[in-house]
Amino acid sequence: GAGVSQSPSNKVTEKGKDVELRCDPISGHTALYWYRQSLGQGLEFLIYFQGNSAPDKSGLPSDRFSAERTGGSVSTLTIQRTQQEDSAVYLCASSTRGTPISYNEQFFGPGTRLTVL
Amino acid sequence: DQQVKQNSPSLSVQEGRISILNCDYTNSMFDYFLWYKKYPAEGPTFLISISSIKDKNEDGRFTVFLNKSAKHLSLHIVPSQPGDSAVYFCAASPPGDQFYFGTGTSLTVIP
Repeated sequence: GAGVSQSPSNKVTEKGKDVELRCDPISGHTALYWYRQSLGQGLEFLIYFQGNSAPDKSGLPSDRFSAERTGGSVSTLTIQRTQQEDSAVYLCASSTRGTPISYNEQFFGPGTRLTVL
Repeated sequence: DQQVKQNSPSLSVQEGRISILNCDYTNSMFDYFLWYKKYPAEGPTFLISISSIKDKNEDGRFTVFLNKSAKHLSLHIVPSQPGDSAVYFCAASPPGDQFYFGTGTSLTVIP
C-alpha cells in the first residue's frame, strides 16, 4: 500500500519568503508528526497531531512555524519569513496509536529538503 | 533538554563483527522504545522495538536490550554487513505521548 508521501521533495527559496510543505499520511493513521533534521543533527520534534485533540506544538522553534491538519488527514507545515537557519530536511511521519502496550511504530515520508538562500 | 541521548555520533565495525549502538534516556515514564535506520536522502525506517515489560527482543541479526534500572538500551547487530551502514536513531515514548528521538549514530561497516 501507499506509504507516507511528502511534497515537494526539494524546495529552494529566498530568505524572507514563506514556504508550505505538505504531508500525506498513511490512510487511517490517526497520529501525524513533523520533525526536522538539520545538517549533522538528529531528528528534532516540531509538532504532533493525534486525532481530534489539540496538537502538541511544543517543538515549534518560533512563531514563524505553524502547521495544520485538515480533515484528520493531510498536513501542511508553513514557515513564514524563512531564515537561512531553517534550511533542513523536514520529515513527516504517521502512526496508529494502539493500546498502551502495543504502540505501532512511525512510518516516515522521504522528507522535503528545504534550502533557504 | 534531550531526553534521549546517543552519545556516540559514529561507529566503525569490520564486516562480520558485532555492532553495538547505545542509547540512554532520562524519563522513567518511557515505556516503549524503537530503533530506526536511515539511509541518506531517505526517511527513517522502523527496525525493531521493545516495550518496558521485556528486557530483550530479537529479530534476525538485530537484538535490542533494555536495562530499565540504568535507563539504557542498546542495539546489537551480528554479524554486521556493509548494507547495515546507515544512521541509527533510537526513540522512546511514554504512554499516549509523542516519540522522542536521539541524535543518531552513524554506523559504517567496513568490508
